[in-house]
Amino acid sequence: AQKITQTQPGMFVQEKEAVTLDCTYDTSDQSYGLFWYKQPSSGEMIFLIYQGSYDEQNATEGRYSLNFQKARKSANLVISASQLGDSAMYFCAMISGGFKTIFGAGTRLFVKA
Amino acid sequence: DAEITQSPRHKITETGRQVTLACHQTWNHNNMFWYRQDLGHGLRLIHYSYGVQDTNKGEVSDGYSVSRSNTEDLPLTLESAASSQTSVYFCASSETGTRKTFGSGTRLTVV
Repeated sequence: AQKITQTQPGMFVQEKEAVTLDCTYDTSDQSYGLFWYKQPSSGEMIFLIYQGSYDEQNATEGRYSLNFQKARKSANLVISASQLGDSAMYFCAMISGGFKTIFGAGTRLFVKA
Repeated sequence: DAEITQSPRHKITETGRQVTLACHQTWNHNNMFWYRQDLGHGLRLIHYSYGVQDTNKGEVSDGYSVSRSNTEDLPLTLESAASSQTSVYFCASSETGTRKTFGSGTRLTVV
């Protein structure tokens, strides 16, 4: 069965420091994609970054990078130089076998000034 | 600009009533999805559609139905609202499998 696991319900980080949000996944498909979405307190879902299972390089988007370790089935999100505006809920998600996407339970990130 | 809109933003209804949540997108995406978001569960897929006249059940489809008569709309109907269906509902659309565009959500309270 396909599954996304985020083991950190909440995380604290000091402003300007880097933080890693953990995500592990389970799928028997060879072709799949991994995403991270951000949900600020306003409620909207914001796409951050995508990694395909066949991509050899780790995906990067500005201050966001996805640390993809295929053998360990992990897809951790790294946010460099945290900002107060990064305080939000972060969801890891996976797509495989069509266009359906499954989501993890989320990690709430608190950035301290 | 293309967008995906959900209405209403907030809804309070009584147990047993039929409720329909609207989702309208102008991206011309073939794929549309309905999710519910509950604390501790992330987003769970209710129903999805890959095109006109196509609908499929997701992991938590009991008590919900959808219909797809055109590309732009995928309304979600709660046949007989229950308190367990109090949640935040998100509609999303996509063309390819790489990313979804989400609506702003509908907060539904069943009393």
